[in-house]
Amino acid sequence: ETGVTQSPTHLIKTRGQQVTLRCSSQSGHNTVSWYQQALGQGPQFIFQYYREEENGRGNFPPRFSGLQFPNYSSELNVNALELDDSALYLCASSPSRDRGRDTQYFGPGTRLTVL
Amino acid sequence: GENVEQHPSTLSVQEGDSAVIKCTYSDSASNYFPWYKQELGKGPQLIIDIRSNVGEKKDQRIAVTLNKTAKHFSLHITETQPEDSAVYFCAASIGAAGNKLTFGGGTRVLVKP
Repeated sequence: ETGVTQSPTHLIKTRGQQVTLRCSSQSGHNTVSWYQQALGQGPQFIFQYYREEENGRGNFPPRFSGLQFPNYSSELNVNALELDDSALYLCASSPSRDRGRDTQYFGPGTRLTVL
Repeated sequence: GENVEQHPSTLSVQEGDSAVIKCTYSDSASNYFPWYKQELGKGPQLIIDIRSNVGEKKDQRIAVTLNKTAKHFSLHITETQPEDSAVYFCAASIGAAGNKLTFGGGTRVLVKP
């Protein structure tokens, strides 16, 4: 186990709704990254937070937003849910964003289903 | 942006045999290459990683090789066991200020007893 926890485990929403997913990073880790994994595919980078600031963003629309808190836990918010947002959402934490200390450790994920 | 291709998509081996998964990447600036194992219903688990200043790295039955000139890297699992059955993902990143991992499409490995 990596020590990265995510909640909830599963979530069902309807199109147009909003959702908030939560992640607690491993102790001592100040960097959190979020990924979206569609069924049968590899994870895709959404964004990364370092010390409460966004530190890079993938090719996702602005309705995907995030926060990182002083204790380095993080939230992923998705507004105006679409059917294609159905996926496993993964959080990964790393000790730092500095090269050599940036290895990412993943949590178990949150399975989001949009109906 | 970076593009990572992974082959094969499925791999079936007999217990005790070796398994090899290959990945190619497009961005020559990439310098960090981790491999993850994902079991059903779980998040990806890091099994080994390699940085660009090293050509090969080994950890017990698992080894990774990197050819920066050809922009490809491979995972080698020797003496496979049924518990090695899972989906394996390669990834690449530039790793300048923080890692944005670009993943391959995954390889489903089945080890038959």
